[in-house]
Amino acid sequence: DAGVIQSPRHEVTEMGQEVTLRCKPISGHDYLFWYRQTMMRGLELLIYFNNNVPIDDSGMPEDRFSAKMPNASFSTLKIQPSEPRDSAVYFCASSPTLTLGETQYFGPGTRLLVL
Amino acid sequence: SQQGEEDPQALSIQEGENATMNCSYKTSINNLQWYRQNSGRGLVHLILIRSNEREKHSGRLRVTLDTSKKSSSLLITASRAADTASYFCATDEGAQKLVFGQGTRLTINP
Repeated sequence: DAGVIQSPRHEVTEMGQEVTLRCKPISGHDYLFWYRQTMMRGLELLIYFNNNVPIDDSGMPEDRFSAKMPNASFSTLKIQPSEPRDSAVYFCASSPTLTLGETQYFGPGTRLLVL
Repeated sequence: SQQGEEDPQALSIQEGENATMNCSYKTSINNLQWYRQNSGRGLVHLILIRSNEREKHSGRLRVTLDTSKKSSSLLITASRAADTASYFCATDEGAQKLVFGQGTRLTINP
């Protein structure tokens, strides 16, 4: 398996623009997680899905952020409009069907810079 | 919320020495995990220890868990330059999700 795939790997955009980050989880994994990593706040869980259904979005910072999982092999995280403080590395991770709290498999991340 | 807190924040040692990192957490857990992150990369799972286990080994890694003190340690023996990375502990919150600490940045000097 290729592992968790994220695109793009790097994104530079201007304030106010819409940003869409994409993730393909490992085939057969039922859980998908979106994280944000910054120097100041460390690694933060934004939202996670189970069988394509959003379970906990309490970490989504504000209404500018939205996430979807239209099918088992694809998820998006959208920021609209983007702001400089959204600059961070965004990771997608997936986990197989088991009790939550088990091993998560991370993608390489998308490094976002909002100017 | 931040459950695990690593100590020290940064550690620099010579190649061949042992590296020890500690993690403390606040609430009851079902398991605790350690992850490694190389610069510019995603996190990679290293080892998972369950709440009813006290020690676990994997290659040059040794993890201990003391639930009475709510703490864990990660020992890397005979360190190599390739071990240079950030190391994170992660705990489950009621088995619903993982909460990561801020990490320990480990540098192995040749």
